[in-house]
Amino acid sequence: EPEVTQTPSHQVTQMGQEVILRCVPISNHLYFYWYRQILGQKVEFLVSFYNNEISEKSEIFDDQFSVERPDGSNFTLKIRSTKLEDSAMYFCASSEGTGLEEQYFGPGTRLTVT
Amino acid sequence: AQRVTQPEKLLSVFKGAPVELKCNYSYSGSPELFWYVQYSRQRLQLLLRHISRESIKGFTADLNKGETSFHLKKPFAQEEDSAMYYCALSGRATGGFKTIFGAGTRLFVKA
Repeated sequence: EPEVTQTPSHQVTQMGQEVILRCVPISNHLYFYWYRQILGQKVEFLVSFYNNEISEKSEIFDDQFSVERPDGSNFTLKIRSTKLEDSAMYFCASSEGTGLEEQYFGPGTRLTVT
Repeated sequence: AQRVTQPEKLLSVFKGAPVELKCNYSYSGSPELFWYVQYSRQRLQLLLRHISRESIKGFTADLNKGETSFHLKKPFAQEEDSAMYYCALSGRATGGFKTIFGAGTRLFVKA
């Protein structure tokens, strides 16, 4: 059964550094998402992406964040200059059709900013 | 404001007992409601959604628009039901679609 994959599983970076988190959504899916979960807190929506552009973004998704689909398979989240408070689990998800469909989640990337 | 509230962080029941995980939402429109589950060391996955009206692993959830609730129920809990349960709401926002998760309820089913 196809699955969403994410790399790396754990990323440690220093404050101020740029990080790129990678995701490979399920191949026939059209909508892609990024979420984050700070330890002990709820899963928070960051951004949805459809037809090669951002469909919706949250207040958290400021100018420090960007998303890209550089080729036909990868979907990336870039954080330009990481802060301590960016430390969290980042989940990628994809869905077949609209944003109202079931979302399939990746295993997550744990980002630790020191 | 769009919000999903799960009032219980932890729910502990004995095997065979009924379970109800509460979820209330606030949304100005017609949202889609979901329950996602995360078993130990596994990824987040869909348990059920209100539109399908299915019973999955013995769980059901009824959307009550009057009370803006979508509680998850199971008549007889099993040990393998122990997991983290998230209620989620998807709806149209300013441009596209957005999904809001509740804080989650950890269900612990004791033998």
